[in-house]
Amino acid sequence: IAGITQAPTSQILAAGRRMTLRCTQDMRHNAMYWYRQDLGLGLRLIHYSNTAGTTGKGEVPDGYSVSRANTDDFPLTLASAVPSQTSVYFCASSSTGNTEAFFGQGTRLTVV
Amino acid sequence: GQNIDQPTEMTATEGAIVQINCTYQTSGFNGLFWYQQHAGEAPTFLSYNVLDGLEEKGRFSSFLSRSKGYSYLLLKELQMKDSASYLCAVLDSNYQLIWGAGTKLIIKP
Repeated sequence: IAGITQAPTSQILAAGRRMTLRCTQDMRHNAMYWYRQDLGLGLRLIHYSNTAGTTGKGEVPDGYSVSRANTDDFPLTLASAVPSQTSVYFCASSSTGNTEAFFGQGTRLTVV
Repeated sequence: GQNIDQPTEMTATEGAIVQINCTYQTSGFNGLFWYQQHAGEAPTFLSYNVLDGLEEKGRFSSFLSRSKGYSYLLLKELQMKDSASYLCAVLDSNYQLIWGAGTKLIIKP
């Protein structure tokens, strides 16, 4: 089934540890995004990529990095996790900037 | 700054009609999206408006007024499965989505 897949679905992580959240899509979408969603706040963009080989910073990029080596994969790395990074993380993709975005099922991350 | 406002929570009765409003102030405008998000799940696309007027899609309709910075999502013949959060998002001049915090819709029998 075509779509976008995230892994892991949930994780408890010790503060200071490094963690990579994986995201893969098979829809050949050019644009990919990482959001975090916290209670009472809207989805906030962390990083994005408009096409393979390029990335950009969103609203809340500090403490996170991304890479886009190919069209399908867009991993998000937390270099040294802190408790404020406890959140639900969604990866999304779209064919172009002004078309609907498709979301992965989310990763629930708890940093303790 | 950029801002999207929508009510935090609304309650409606099964079979009734509900209108969820969204007002926005953004740097540029390239369209407005509505998404539905059930608890614990990912957002899913409902509608996209870029021109003024009403877009109807089954039981759901979305309206846009660019001059007023205003949109609404209209849900008719409410069903219990419509209980969810409804997210309004605006595509700004850089083609980045700016998201509202979402409206939690509670449907009562």
